[in-house]
Amino acid sequence: DTEVTQTPKHLVMGMTNKKSLKCEQHMGHRAMYWYKQKAKKPPELMFVYSYEKLSINESVPSRFSPECPNSSLLNLHLHALQPEDSALYLCASSQVGAIGYTFGSGTRLTVV
Amino acid sequence: KNQVEQSPQSLIILEGKNCTLQCNYTVSPFSNLRWYKQDTGRGPVSLTIMTFSENTKSNGRYTATLDADTKQSSLHITASQLSDSASYICVVSETGFQKLVFGTGTRLLVSP
Repeated sequence: DTEVTQTPKHLVMGMTNKKSLKCEQHMGHRAMYWYKQKAKKPPELMFVYSYEKLSINESVPSRFSPECPNSSLLNLHLHALQPEDSALYLCASSQVGAIGYTFGSGTRLTVV
Repeated sequence: KNQVEQSPQSLIILEGKNCTLQCNYTVSPFSNLRWYKQDTGRGPVSLTIMTFSENTKSNGRYTATLDADTKQSSLHITASQLSDSASYICVVSETGFQKLVFGTGTRLLVSP
């Protein structure tokens, strides 16, 4: 298995909702990443987990809460989002040291 | 500051023609350089990855070159197809870091 699987592919949520994005990989990668990408812009790093521990938080607002319950799974919990948070959310995984970096196909999030 | 600059910003070519995309970077110390293809609303897909010692790498109709002395890379697409219409992103890794430095991409449109 050489894929990073993200679910759901599309999500529409209200500003008072709580939702979660899920990311899964079975390549044995021990580093996992969340990115946010706005239209026509490059991906922006949000969080990095290494060996299931949060190693980088790029000053992301607390309404985004990451979780890495095991080495194959990465979640992003969303609460009280703003319309400007609407974007493509990408998950990626790699060996620690950014070797074999693989992106998922993304979740298109719309906040209404 | 580590930066990756790509040119042109956008490009329109006729189906069957060749094209070359450029990438200049200032990332140091350099670890590797990757080219990704990203369809609208989808996650980036890796085309090539090159380390310091490699100066060319091919993946089907895609050929990437790297000049680590001048810190320049190019992606050459041969006999373009309509399905090549996408954004092409140059991404550079810094040695010892898990962060990637993304270029702003070249949007390619292949016209029939």
